[in-house]
Amino acid sequence: DTGVSQDPRHKITKRGQNVTFRCDPISEHNRLYWYRQTLGQGPEFLTYFQNEAQLEKSRLLSDRFSAERPKGSFSTLEIQRTEQGDSAMYLCASTKMGGSSTEAFFGQGTRLTVV
Amino acid sequence: AQSVSQHNHHVILSEAASLELGCNYSYGGTVNLFWYVQYPGQHLQLLLKYFSGDPLVKGIKGFEAEFIKSKFSFNLRKPSVQWSDTAEYFCAVHSGYALNFGKGTSLLVTP
Repeated sequence: DTGVSQDPRHKITKRGQNVTFRCDPISEHNRLYWYRQTLGQGPEFLTYFQNEAQLEKSRLLSDRFSAERPKGSFSTLEIQRTEQGDSAMYLCASTKMGGSSTEAFFGQGTRLTVV
Repeated sequence: AQSVSQHNHHVILSEAASLELGCNYSYGGTVNLFWYVQYPGQHLQLLLKYFSGDPLVKGIKGFEAEFIKSKFSFNLRKPSVQWSDTAEYFCAVHSGYALNFGKGTSLLVTP
C-alpha cells in the first residue's frame, strides 16, 4: 500500500497519560498535515510541515499538543496529559509541494479515546 | 477567517433520486475548492476539485459540482444516486496552506 499510513489505528488511554501517534506520508510528498475530527464535525486543521520545517502551528489546540517531522519523512503527533476532550479521530494527510490545487491524500486516522 | 458552511447535515434519499448538497464559503480572494467523500470505515477521498477554468467540474462516480462565484457556492450534484453512495461528504476550501472543511453531510441512500 503506497498511501498515507497512520499508527496506531486505535488508542485508548487514561486521562493524564501521554500519547504519540505516527504518520508515514506518501514517499514523494513533502507536505504533511495533521487534522482532528470529532463526531459530527469536519476535519479541523492542527499543523503542517514542509519537509522537516513546521510552518504553521498556531492552530494546535493547546501547548499539550506538539508535532515533529525530524527527517522530513514520517511525523509524530504527541498529546501530553491527555484530557477526555482530546478524544477524537486524528488524521494525517500529505501532498506535493505547491499543492494548493493538488489533492491531499488522507490516512485512515488514529482514533483516540481518553477514559 | 475563512469558513465553510454545509447546509444539510443528514440527507436520506432513495436509489435513483437526484442529489444536491449545498456548500457556501466565506473568502474574498481566489479560492481552490474541493469535495471529499468518506465511505464507512474508509479514509477521506477526493471526489472533485475546482481551482480555475470551467466552473462546472466533474469528478469520480458521476458526481459534479458548480462553482458560482457571485454566490460563494460550490454545490455538489449527482443525477441518480446509488446505494453505494452512502457516505459522509465534506466540502473544503484551501486557505493558502491547508484545507478548511465544512461540518459534512451524511448521506444515506435506501434501496
